[in-house]
Amino acid sequence: GESVGLHLPTLSVQEGDNSIINCAYSNSASDYFIWYKQESGKGPQFIIDIRSNMDKRQGQRVTVLLNKTVKHLSLQIAATQPGDSAVYFCAEIPGGSYIPTFGRGTSLIVHP
Amino acid sequence: KAGVTQTPRYLIKTRGQQVTLSCSPISGHRSVSWYQQTPGQGLQFLFEYFSETQRNKGNFPGRFSGRQFSNSRSEMNVSTLELGDSALYLCASRPEGRGEEKLFFGSGTQLSVL
Repeated sequence: GESVGLHLPTLSVQEGDNSIINCAYSNSASDYFIWYKQESGKGPQFIIDIRSNMDKRQGQRVTVLLNKTVKHLSLQIAATQPGDSAVYFCAEIPGGSYIPTFGRGTSLIVHP
Repeated sequence: KAGVTQTPRYLIKTRGQQVTLSCSPISGHRSVSWYQQTPGQGLQFLFEYFSETQRNKGNFPGRFSGRQFSNSRSEMNVSTLELGDSALYLCASRPEGRGEEKLFFGSGTQLSVL
């Protein structure tokens, strides 16, 4: 089946920098996208979502951008903190479904 | 509300054995899904249960099975364990309804097959 992929497996940043994690998706029928954060020893945790009728959505220190033309999704984290160190997954859900397909994950390492 | 609870947290089994994992969803959540997470394959969907019925199934062999009880608690079973079954098994629940696609995950059961 079609899958969601990530450009960078590991991203290292300094505390206080802004981080950008990218995700490419291939299913043009996907109309709902979610970013999850997984800390060591824990299950994935919802961060932010976006539907295909939007191209940008902001949360607390996080912003998700959606470019449907090139099937690209990104997660921006402002003023990255050591507590943001985790693996980040994007997930896509096709219209009419509720079963997400997860990307492979990007490991974010924040250096104090 | 309490989160999704999975037991046991860790399991060590040998090849050929079988194992049962348990999941208690968030109160009020009727949909329970199971995922296998490995470094090589990432998060792979196993199956989803709703109202004691398997509603969706991923691409896993018949050795992987599950069930859901009337209180929405769920179990998954893996029979005739293989070395490649070593993984983190995650359970996730969600409320049923339009716009309720996001999953709430437990911390998982780490299964090691020796």
